[in-house]
Amino acid sequence: RKEVEQDPGPFNVPEGATVAFNCTYSNSASQSFFWYRQDCRKEPKLLMSVYSSGNEDGRFTAQLNRASQYISLLIRDSKLSDSATYLCVVTPLRSGGYNKLIFGAGTRLAVHP
Amino acid sequence: DAMVIQNPRYQVTQFGKPVTLSCSQTLNHNVMYWYQQKSSQAPKLLFHYYDKDFNNEADTPDNFQSRRPNTSFCFLDIRSPGLGDAAMYLCATSRLPGGQSTDTQYFGPGTRLTVL
Repeated sequence: RKEVEQDPGPFNVPEGATVAFNCTYSNSASQSFFWYRQDCRKEPKLLMSVYSSGNEDGRFTAQLNRASQYISLLIRDSKLSDSATYLCVVTPLRSGGYNKLIFGAGTRLAVHP
Repeated sequence: DAMVIQNPRYQVTQFGKPVTLSCSQTLNHNVMYWYQQKSSQAPKLLFHYYDKDFNNEADTPDNFQSRRPNTSFCFLDIRSPGLGDAAMYLCATSRLPGGQSTDTQYFGPGTRLTVL
């Protein structure tokens, strides 16, 4: 079983739609959780951190359910510029003094006019 | 204002011909990472440096080596590239120790390696 699993998509949605991505992780001791965005042939960029209390940044809302080992990302009012791959990222319990990022393979989003 | 710089952006090499990819950073971060990302796959950590301490991932092939001559620079050496090593190679940095904010890794734009 992969450490971080995501639906690869693609999710094809019209502009203005609301879309939700899900992610599950296998290590219950995981410590930190993030969503990264990766445009085609570019590097991953941090979109937002994910907290148990849930957090929102504009049109983006992230949620963590530790009991179910489940992370979600909700995008409201989709824009063409939201088209990208969204990577779910987990860090295990810190060891050896560094934070190792475990990436999911990503969910591809395509927003069309 | 580039913070993590990778050169070259595109690299073509021949099967078995050694190649070196470079990464530099202006963030003065103490940790530098190398990831390999193949098409439609997750970035996979190869190794990292915590200051001068080298930490290899258990499943990183011996064909991959790294050097960090100073805080700013880190190199990825592929001794004998095979066709299966064609990928995007991403360098990242972070600052440790600290709290939640130090979990942020800053990625360079990557080097896309083609093996002929």
